[in-house]
Amino acid sequence: NAGVTQTPKFRVLKTGQSMTLLCAQDMNHEYMYWYRQDPGMGLRLIHYSVGEGTTAKGEVPDGYNVSRLKKQNFLLGLESAAPSQTSVYFCASSYVTSGDTQYFGPGTRLTVL
Amino acid sequence: TQLLEQSPQFLSIQEGENLTVYCNSSSVFSSLQWYRQEPGEGPVLLVTVVTGGEVKKLKRLTFQFGDARKDSSLHITAAQPGDTGLYLCAAAGATNKLIFGTGTLLAVQP
Repeated sequence: NAGVTQTPKFRVLKTGQSMTLLCAQDMNHEYMYWYRQDPGMGLRLIHYSVGEGTTAKGEVPDGYNVSRLKKQNFLLGLESAAPSQTSVYFCASSYVTSGDTQYFGPGTRLTVL
Repeated sequence: TQLLEQSPQFLSIQEGENLTVYCNSSSVFSSLQWYRQEPGEGPVLLVTVVTGGEVKKLKRLTFQFGDARKDSSLHITAAQPGDTGLYLCAAAGATNKLIFGTGTLLAVQP
């Protein structure tokens, strides 16, 4: 099993450009999450999904959109990137509730110039 | 807003020393998890504690959940360079979403 995979691993954008980060999991997990990690801030939840076709806002959702068209995939979109979105983005999944073990991908390092 | 404060933020020690990392909050949690994150990778779960006063051991690591389920500690005995990493506590709050602490960056020098 590959677990949780993320693409791309690195990306540099100019302000105003758009991009989509892809997360895939092969563990048949219901829950999937997108976090951002900034120095001194820990991990902050952007959006999450409790099942195929459903999404919900987390702690810091502004400037991001998500979609979960297939159970195994969770996409994070930035429509108009801003320098404040420079961060490391992590996708995670869990079997059932958020309190269960979360399995994380390797992260995507995004720089917005 | 439920917050998890970790201390210390940074810790640099010599191999063989002992250390304790703290995770504190004013809120009560149903469970608390500890993750370790190595450079360039995502966090990996070390342990979950669910009962107030619970103590769990994982080789040289000892985890304790406070009696009131508001705080937790991680004690490492005889630290080794392989223990180097970012240690994160995370708790399931009222909304059942995980809240992560600010992290403790540990460096163990050989």
